[in-house]
Amino acid sequence: GESVGLHLPTLSVQEGDNSIINCAYSNSASDYFIWYKQESGKGPQFIIDIRSNMDKRQGQRVTVLLNKTVKHLSLQIAATQPGDSAVYFCAERPGGYNKLIFGAGTRLAVHP
Amino acid sequence: EAQVTQNPRYLITVTGKKLTVTCSQNMNHEYMSWYRQDPGRGLRQIYYSMNVEVTDKGDVPEGYKVSRKEKRNFPLILESPSPNQTSLYFCASSPQDRVYGYTFGSGTRLTVV
Repeated sequence: GESVGLHLPTLSVQEGDNSIINCAYSNSASDYFIWYKQESGKGPQFIIDIRSNMDKRQGQRVTVLLNKTVKHLSLQIAATQPGDSAVYFCAERPGGYNKLIFGAGTRLAVHP
Repeated sequence: EAQVTQNPRYLITVTGKKLTVTCSQNMNHEYMSWYRQDPGRGLRQIYYSMNVEVTDKGDVPEGYKVSRKEKRNFPLILESPSPNQTSLYFCASSPQDRVYGYTFGSGTRLTVV
């Protein structure tokens, strides 16, 4: 598999538990945020996004929370499954810029 | 199927030998970008393009070139590869010039010896 997961923080959870992955972003002017999932040997896949005028958004089994006061983003995964095992990245878009800035990522390991 | 296609998936080359990594998307996206990914680090932007014939540097452009002659293609060129360009490369595209989440290719693992 790919070696991009080396040296990343790892969150280990039991199958069926809820997972919370955290991300601190850098730019207080960022206006858009995304969570990506990257499985071994694959490119990142979009999970969920949120704009800066919101503080919570829900998808299927996933919820993103945004706290602009402390520049913190979290991804909650309900009833975590083995297929959720992957590296998760947050990304921010600095206001006025046509680019995304990615965090270093967190590895999620789901144990049966 | 809507996708971003990169080739090759794996490449081993020698220092100084010019190479091109191709990227093509079939979604009629205006915005395309190249990223590199290194162990323990997030994706770092190399170059991006907002439309045909419009390209600009990202955060780590040194040693790379790009071109955007057609909307669907965005090749990454390494004129004289060096070992510090050994990395995992991703091409990505987005449907508008204000980035609202990319579609990524599957990646190209490049090793320069």
